[in-house]
Amino acid sequence: DTGVSQDPRHKITKRGQNVTFRCDPISEHNRLYWYRQTLGQGPEFLTYFQNEAQLEKSRLLSDRFSAERPKGSFSTLEIQRTEQGDSAMYLCASSPEGSGEKLFFGSGTQLSVL
Amino acid sequence: SQKIEQNSEALNIQEGKTATLTCNYTNYSPAYLQWYRQDPGRGPVFLLLIRENEKEKRKERLKVTFDTTLKQSLFHITASQPADSATYLCAFWRSYIPTFGRGTSLIVHP
Repeated sequence: DTGVSQDPRHKITKRGQNVTFRCDPISEHNRLYWYRQTLGQGPEFLTYFQNEAQLEKSRLLSDRFSAERPKGSFSTLEIQRTEQGDSAMYLCASSPEGSGEKLFFGSGTQLSVL
Repeated sequence: SQKIEQNSEALNIQEGKTATLTCNYTNYSPAYLQWYRQDPGRGPVFLLLIRENEKEKRKERLKVTFDTTLKQSLFHITASQPADSATYLCAFWRSYIPTFGRGTSLIVHP
């Protein structure tokens, strides 16, 4: 079990640039989640995939955010035209089939927008 | 709207004592409630799951209770150790989406 891996671990970018993060879930897990976390807050739900289908997206997610999970394996999260308010830890998690299953989180990508 | 609340103030306790953390929720009746541990700069790690029809769950030094009448879960760590110092998050499940509280920081002093 190699766990959930995220890349990069840290990203510094200038306002207005586009950034893309990658998540490799545990191989047999069907469900994949993206969360955003700022200092002193809990993880905030962004979007969720079951296999390659994006089943839910937070209403808080602006049009500048897009996520994909081609072939139901790894996932990417892209932020276009980054703003300083996008600075946060972006966490990916995966879980096997079923509701209430525990989530396995990656170590996250820390984004700083200057 | 659904809300999940955890005490934002850090909990400071002495080694060997029992730590008790609280998670309250409103406007929802979750079927499952989970507790996670998060260390600085790391993703959360799953600790325990409790279902709505369960009153209590134990795992080693950890105990979770779930009171659907009070809309509250309590998380206990007995015989606490400095290594237990971390942020503890509760999460309830809405369909297939877990919603997290902000977490409570626990500091165990030697």
